[in-house]
Amino acid sequence: GQQLNQSPQSMFIQEGEDVSMNCTSSSIFNTWLWYKQDPGEGPVLLIALYKAGELTSNGRLTAQFGITRKDSFLNISASIPSDVGIYFCAGRGSTASKLTFGTGTRLQVTL
Amino acid sequence: EPEVTQTPSHQVTQMGQEVILRCVPISNHLYFYWYRQILGQKVEFLVSFYNNEISEKSEIFDDQFSVERPDGSNFTLKIRSTKLEDSAMYFCASSAGRASRVAEAFFGQGTRLTVV
Repeated sequence: GQQLNQSPQSMFIQEGEDVSMNCTSSSIFNTWLWYKQDPGEGPVLLIALYKAGELTSNGRLTAQFGITRKDSFLNISASIPSDVGIYFCAGRGSTASKLTFGTGTRLQVTL
Repeated sequence: EPEVTQTPSHQVTQMGQEVILRCVPISNHLYFYWYRQILGQKVEFLVSFYNNEISEKSEIFDDQFSVERPDGSNFTLKIRSTKLEDSAMYFCASSAGRASRVAEAFFGQGTRLTVV
């Protein structure tokens, strides 16, 4: 099956630092999505990417759809305590409506 | 803001018992999904549902699982005879369509199922 690997697995950063995480796939996706999950909650959509090479921002978040369509990255600038959580990438193929989720990156922000 | 709602938030059941997890998708959405997340692991697709039938399902979604849209608002997941390994968070999601920007899935808060 399709596998999405995220790195790093976890990060400990100081408030105000920038964060970068990425997601790589063994196969091509036509849509890349980034979700954030707080403990005990459902995933919340942060950014959606639809075209190879696309760079999209949402406030302090920036994400890019890789040219090969097999990877994506997410950057968070000037991190704040509420950025704490698990970030999941998710991909969708050409015909399937299902999402394949990545392994997640756990972000901890210290003051 | 419209949201997907799930009930109950936590369900404890004995092994072998049947459970029904309930979801109310966003009202104008047409596609409905169930995902599950075993504690500490990634979110896994179970099934998608459109026009009153299953459109896609994963290997996890075996004969023990079924889905139904019993009326115009609810979407349910039934597990006929629960096993210990069914313990997980179950997330319902819905989307307006399948093409690009309308296909984005919005997730509910989840139901934590504990099988004892």
